[in-house]
Amino acid sequence: EAGVTQSPTHLIKTRGQQATLRCSPISGHTSVYWYQQALGLGLQFLLWYDEGEERNRGNFPPRFSGRQFPNYSSELNVNALELEDSALYLCASSKGLTGFKEKLFFGSGTQLSVL
Amino acid sequence: GIQVEQSPPDLILQEGANSTLRCNFSDSVNNLQWFHQNPWGQLINLFYIPSGTKQNGRLSATTVATERYSLLYISSSQTTDSGVYFCAVGSNAGGTSYGKLTFGQGTILTVHP
Repeated sequence: EAGVTQSPTHLIKTRGQQATLRCSPISGHTSVYWYQQALGLGLQFLLWYDEGEERNRGNFPPRFSGRQFPNYSSELNVNALELEDSALYLCASSKGLTGFKEKLFFGSGTQLSVL
Repeated sequence: GIQVEQSPPDLILQEGANSTLRCNFSDSVNNLQWFHQNPWGQLINLFYIPSGTKQNGRLSATTVATERYSLLYISSSQTTDSGVYFCAVGSNAGGTSYGKLTFGQGTILTVHP
């Protein structure tokens, strides 16, 4: 069974551009989570989608947005890129609304570099 | 929000040694997981353990929810155990914490041959 897959593996952009990152969850999982891992800041919660709806978001500006498609895959968009957006972006999936009592499985991440 | 503190921040071992990693958290949780991040950045889920004890090969974990801590034990360590170990906690209490895992800063483990 395939794990969580993310694309692209690496992405290089310049300041002010937009970046789009993609994630496919494990088959049967309906929840998708996005986390940012920036140097020195640890892993920070970005967004949670379940059944196509945004369920929660972390303390990030509105230029970080996303969506979940009917097949449960997800897209993270970062507009007006800033240098400090350079980070590893990790996507995770889980079975969904179980009172958040379940394992999260992570993909390999997208390394975003903003020049 | 919930605070998560891991110790020690760094740990250097010789192959074959045992170790204990600790995770303290500041509030009640219903979700606690241990992850290993390998040198390529992949986060591998080791345990989902909001309470009790579990074992998986050379690894075991114990969470004492009433005292708000969890321990990860690594026995007979191998060089492939090197990497960063994260503890992450979550709550279904609602509001801004629902569906959010709060990660500790991690323990960097280096195992020498």
